[in-house]
Amino acid sequence: NAGVTQTPKFQVLKTGQSMTLQCAQDMNHEYMSWYRQDPGMGLRLIHYSVGAGITDQGEVPNGYNVSRSTTEDFPLRLLSAAPSQTSVYFCASSYRSGTGRATGELFFGEGSRLTVL
Amino acid sequence: TQLLEQSPQFLSIQEGENLTVYCNSSSVFSSLQWYRQEPGEGPVLLVTVVTGGEVKKLKRLTFQFGDARKDSSLHITAAQPGDTGLYLCAGAPRRGSSYKLIFGSGTRLLVRP
Repeated sequence: NAGVTQTPKFQVLKTGQSMTLQCAQDMNHEYMSWYRQDPGMGLRLIHYSVGAGITDQGEVPNGYNVSRSTTEDFPLRLLSAAPSQTSVYFCASSYRSGTGRATGELFFGEGSRLTVL
Repeated sequence: TQLLEQSPQFLSIQEGENLTVYCNSSSVFSSLQWYRQEPGEGPVLLVTVVTGGEVKKLKRLTFQFGDARKDSSLHITAAQPGDTGLYLCAGAPRRGSSYKLIFGSGTRLLVRP
């Protein structure tokens, strides 16, 4: 069972470089989100999507772009990497219940550890 | 901005002891969840509480949602080394908004054999 798959697991960038963190889910979930996790700060929401073609900003969106062209994929793009973006990034998905609302359970990938020098 | 504060940040106890982790906010949440995260992995859902005053039990873990839906607690009875991990509480600001949860900073638990 693949679930939520993130690639790469580890990446080192130099300041100013750009890159894309990939996220794919095979559960046909409508909702997908990107979080970053920093020591002592829990997880903070970067961007989220409620369906293909629909994205919105979370708490800390600056410096990141997302798109959702398919239900399965939700890539996160770093436009010009900065040392402040050194973090562990988690992609998560969740599904809509029969009531039409999100069910409440987030399914997370294993994370992508990014270091910006 | 809604915030969730967890305490303690770090807890080191002996196997067999009991412990309680707290998750507090000045804001009301429609639901609150507890996740456990192990090193190198993503968080995994333990429980969701929805109703004020609700208590849920998962084996030796007891979860409670405050009457006013602003706080929650996790109590572990007779902790075991397998309980070691990072415990995160997360709140949904509005009903049906659980795809954009607000997370607490986490409680790192170490249970020594």
